[in-house]
Amino acid sequence: NAGVTQTPKFRVLKTGQSMTLLCAQDMNHEYMYWYRQDPGMGLRLIHYSVGEGTTAKGEVPDGYNVSRLKKQNFLLGLESAAPSQTSVYFCASSRGLDRIYNEQFFGPGTRLTVL
Amino acid sequence: AQTVTQSQPEMSVQEAETVTLSCTYDTSESDYYLFWYKQPPSRQMILVIRQEAYKQQNATENRFSVNFQKAAKSFSLKISDSQLGDAAMYFCAYRLDRGTDKLIFGTGTRLQVFP
Repeated sequence: NAGVTQTPKFRVLKTGQSMTLLCAQDMNHEYMYWYRQDPGMGLRLIHYSVGEGTTAKGEVPDGYNVSRLKKQNFLLGLESAAPSQTSVYFCASSRGLDRIYNEQFFGPGTRLTVL
Repeated sequence: AQTVTQSQPEMSVQEAETVTLSCTYDTSESDYYLFWYKQPPSRQMILVIRQEAYKQQNATENRFSVNFQKAAKSFSLKISDSQLGDAAMYFCAYRLDRGTDKLIFGTGTRLQVFP
């Protein structure tokens, strides 16, 4: 049981390049999230998904796209990377579906640098 | 919109002493959850403690306890008998008790523990 995994762990891009971050969870969770963490800003929600085939915008969605084609995977795409997207990206998942408390489980993070 | 404020960017404590980290939040909702997360240098987000807003009793987890003041919208974390391993960033977070399990984070407090 690996929990939440993220690929890659580190990446350096040049401005204008594209890339996809992969998040995978093996807990059969319904909900998945992408956050970014910047110094002095805490974690901010980029996009989230409440089920396979569904996605929604979070607090800071501009410049990112996401897809949830399979329940266990949540992809975060940068079509044309900008230096402002230099950050640490965290994926998380939670069981969802009911009103009982659902803990969010976090991946180890991906450090992305855009030059 | 809900907001979470951590007004202490850095705190320090002597080993074996007690330290309190502050958090205030703003919401018009009556049912919600509050959390404290720990982020050590490894970057992994670790849930420390949670509090349900409908519970008057303050949550405790071993050396960690909270002082939840619902009317004042205050949620502080007390760490007793501080250990070197407690050194980390601590984030306060808020979750509405319905919908998508989304978390709203504060900007964090860096805790240093001195021997």
